[in-house]
Amino acid sequence: GQQVMQIPQYQHVQEGEDFTTYCNSSTTLSNIQWYKQRPGGHPVFLIQLVKSGEVKKQKRLTFQFGEAKKNSSLHITATQTTDVGTYFCAGGDTGGFKTIFGAGTRLFVKA
Amino acid sequence: DGGITQSPKYLFRKEGQNVTLSCEQNLNHDAMYWYRQDPGQGLRLIYYSQIVNDFQKGDIAEGYSVSREKKESFPLTVTSAQKNPTAFYLCASSIVNTEAFFGQGTRLTVV
Repeated sequence: GQQVMQIPQYQHVQEGEDFTTYCNSSTTLSNIQWYKQRPGGHPVFLIQLVKSGEVKKQKRLTFQFGEAKKNSSLHITATQTTDVGTYFCAGGDTGGFKTIFGAGTRLFVKA
Repeated sequence: DGGITQSPKYLFRKEGQNVTLSCEQNLNHDAMYWYRQDPGQGLRLIYYSQIVNDFQKGDIAEGYSVSREKKESFPLTVTSAQKNPTAFYLCASSIVNTEAFFGQGTRLTVV
């Protein structure tokens, strides 16, 4: 079945350093979504990418969708302690309504 | 005030007992989903529903059952056949292939 792999599983950074998480799908996706889950909370939607090669920015966050629509990345510039949490990618399958989540990357930021 | 509501927040189950987790949304979304999250892990899809009176198994449906009699409601029953039910359960809803809105989650513990 369709799988969405996400790496790394964990990342420890010093405040001010950059951070990137990568997402790869075994099949072509209709779209990719990114979510953030704070410790003890529920996932909150960040953004959706639909077009091949699409790049979107939200302040210090940059999201990319690969040309083949099988991979994506989230890059955070100059991390802050408020960035702490788990970042999930979620791929929409082209055949139906199912959204498959990656395992997430847990970000730790040391002040 | 639109949103998605899960109840209860915490639930304790005895061995061999069935329990039902509630999920209600007033966002007028057609699609609803149930995910399971284990500590430090990603989201695994249990069941999803695209429309009233229709639902499909996700990746880990064994030991769980659902119903979708109303658009607003998608309850999940954790049956005694689920051998390791202790987890954080998240319900979500969406318009097809767009952002998912998550409830606050139900933390289920077997005692």
